[in-house]
Amino acid sequence: TQLLEQSPQFLSIQEGENLTVYCNSSSVFSSLQWYRQEPGEGPVLLVTVVTGGEVKKLKRLTFQFGDARKDSSLHITAAQPGDTGLYLCAGGLNQFYFGTGTSLTVIP
Amino acid sequence: KAGVTQTPRYLIKTRGQQVTLSCSPISGHRSVSWYQQTPGQGLQFLFEYFSETQRNKGNFPGRFSGRQFSNSRSEMNVSTLELGDSALYLCASSSLAGTGSGEQYFGPGTRLTVT
Repeated sequence: TQLLEQSPQFLSIQEGENLTVYCNSSSVFSSLQWYRQEPGEGPVLLVTVVTGGEVKKLKRLTFQFGDARKDSSLHITAAQPGDTGLYLCAGGLNQFYFGTGTSLTVIP
Repeated sequence: KAGVTQTPRYLIKTRGQQVTLSCSPISGHRSVSWYQQTPGQGLQFLFEYFSETQRNKGNFPGRFSGRQFSNSRSEMNVSTLELGDSALYLCASSSLAGTGSGEQYFGPGTRLTVT
């Protein structure tokens, strides 16, 4: 059983579209991180959110931590082919628990 | 600053053999965590070392072990390999330890194939 569930599992969209990826759990986390992983490489940290309700923006990416610190979302505006990759959320307790992952493909 | 390095990048082993993987963290980082990534299970936490001490351990059998040296480099060993051990093994370094906070920086991983 995964502690963090991500949805959707797979997403294929056209360049320029918007999308949202969700990361949900019944557990409360001290922090929530989002990573992007490309084939053959390790995950790369995008952002860390620590406060319930916190919103962070990284260019076209907007990250939100739920008020109860149990869930998070990643919104991408005007997706580009360079956004293609596996997006992973990770919740911090006594260790990091990773979500199931969302594989995003942006078609030019 | 140099990133996390892992060696070897690719490895093919036979069932029953053992394997040792190596990870060198970012300079100054004293925490190294190991993860197993498979298509079916995703990223699963193996263990974390900080200052040569194992701080946390995931739900893996005793065939999976690790250690950390005084220079923070870490090794992971898997004995009596099984087909199901085929995976990408990732290590991550951090300046903080075992609190589930702080920033983790991952290496490129070691792709282990067991035949």
